[in-house]
Amino acid sequence: DIVMTQSPDSLAVSLGERATVNCKSSQNVLFDSNNKNYLAWYQQKRGQPPKLLIYWASIRESGVPDRFSGSGSGTDFTLTISSLQAEDVAVYYCQQYYSTPYSFGQGTKLEI
Amino acid sequence: EVQLVESGGGLVQPGGSLRLSCAASGFSFSRDAMHWVRQAPGKGLEYVSGITSNGGSTYYANSVKGRFSISRDNSKNTLYLQMGSLRAEDTAVYYCANSLAIGAHLKDWGQGALVTVSS
Repeated sequence: DIVMTQSPDSLAVSLGERATVNCKSSQNVLFDSNNKNYLAWYQQKRGQPPKLLIYWASIRESGVPDRFSGSGSGTDFTLTISSLQAEDVAVYYCQQYYSTPYSFGQGTKLEI
Repeated sequence: EVQLVESGGGLVQPGGSLRLSCAASGFSFSRDAMHWVRQAPGKGLEYVSGITSNGGSTYYANSVKGRFSISRDNSKNTLYLQMGSLRAEDTAVYYCANSLAIGAHLKDWGQGALVTVSS
């Protein structure tokens, strides 16, 4: 099974500053035949279900603010929030869907 | 509007069984793959199980293989998770989610159903 490891476990960033969350997979999640990385990012606010932010490693879900961006390929990925807003306080998870069973990172708690 | 509504959660004794349901609306249920993801209190997300759109293939985490069974009824737009031989470590909020296919991101999520395994 693929193991996903995020860093850091928690992060404190000032309002308006950049936040960066890293995710590393134990195996390559880039499918050569379509050149897609099978990697998504989710945001979970306290008391709420997870919400899809980014898929195929860099495609922003409809309605997600453009301050959120995803990058990386193969085994190393990054979620960047360019200018942190108060409503971005949450736990962020990466997930691979390259092979079943899908797997999530342990989560990164983002605080102000 | 997409809606996924889980039900069937509750308190069950160790070794017992429980069946969760997820009622879907607002999208073409029979076209989408479906999944269960759980979250133990204060912990992260754990993928539990998935099923293809026609129910022909199913997938399980090692932690639940042989004890849990996923199924769906496309005529009722409903997903199920039959849980057996329950353990304290199965205590969690169980979310259902959809994806366009197996091998696609989880797009929409329900609010979750709490399962507590305790004597």
